[in-house]
Amino acid sequence: AAGVIQSPRHLIKEKRETATLKCYPIPRHDTVYWYQQGPGQDPQFLISFYEKMQSDKGSIPDRFSAQQFSDYHSELNMSSLELGDSALYFCASSATPFHGYTFGSGTRLTVV
Amino acid sequence: AQTVTQSQPEMSVQEAETVTLSCTYDTSESDYYLFWYKQPPSRQMILVIRQEAYKQQNATENRFSVNFQKAAKSFSLKISDSQLGDAAMYFCAYRLLSGNTPLVFGKGTRLSVIA
Repeated sequence: AAGVIQSPRHLIKEKRETATLKCYPIPRHDTVYWYQQGPGQDPQFLISFYEKMQSDKGSIPDRFSAQQFSDYHSELNMSSLELGDSALYFCASSATPFHGYTFGSGTRLTVV
Repeated sequence: AQTVTQSQPEMSVQEAETVTLSCTYDTSESDYYLFWYKQPPSRQMILVIRQEAYKQQNATENRFSVNFQKAAKSFSLKISDSQLGDAAMYFCAYRLLSGNTPLVFGKGTRLSVIA
C-alpha cells in the first residue's frame, strides 16, 4: 500500500540558510499535517492543510511557511535557519471521514 | 485546550512479562479519539492502537490492549508477553472526533525490555 513519502530523508544546512521539505500524502487523503520533533521531545504540531487550504496552525515560527499544491503534496519552507530548528520533521495525512493518520518517515534536519 | 499527560518518563519490563503505561488527558469534549503510538529508534511513528470515545469496549490489538476510563479521562496501554522489539518510546495522543484537527501528544514514555 502507498505510504506518506517525505523528502529528503536527511538534510544538513548552515545557520541562516533556507530549507524546503516535501511531503506526498497517500492518494485520496485530503488533509496534511506537519509536526516538529526535537531531540527527546514529543511531536509538536506546526500546521495543517485541508483541500489545499490552511486548516489549523500550531507553533510554527514566522520564519516558516507551508503550502499544499494542486496535486495535494505539501512543502514546508524554512528560512533564516537557527540551531534550534534541528529536529525531525514529520508529515502525516488523513482522509475525510477520518479513519486515522498515516505518518511519513520524517526528514531529519540538522542545522550547523 | 486539550492536554495529554504521561506521568511515567521511563518504564522497564522483563521479556514475556506484562507492563502498563499510563495516560491521562483533559478535555471538555465528549467525542474524540485516543491513540497510542510507538516510536522505535528508527523514529518512525507507528500506530499501536486506537480508541473511539463513544465506544465502551476497550480496544485490543493482539498483545496490546487499553483500559479506557472515560469518566476518569484515563487511557492506559497494557502490553502482554513483552518482546525485545517492544522497546521504544510510546506516545499517547488525542484528537477531536470532528473536523480535521491535529493530534495532541503526551511527552512520551520510554519503555525498555530486559532479556
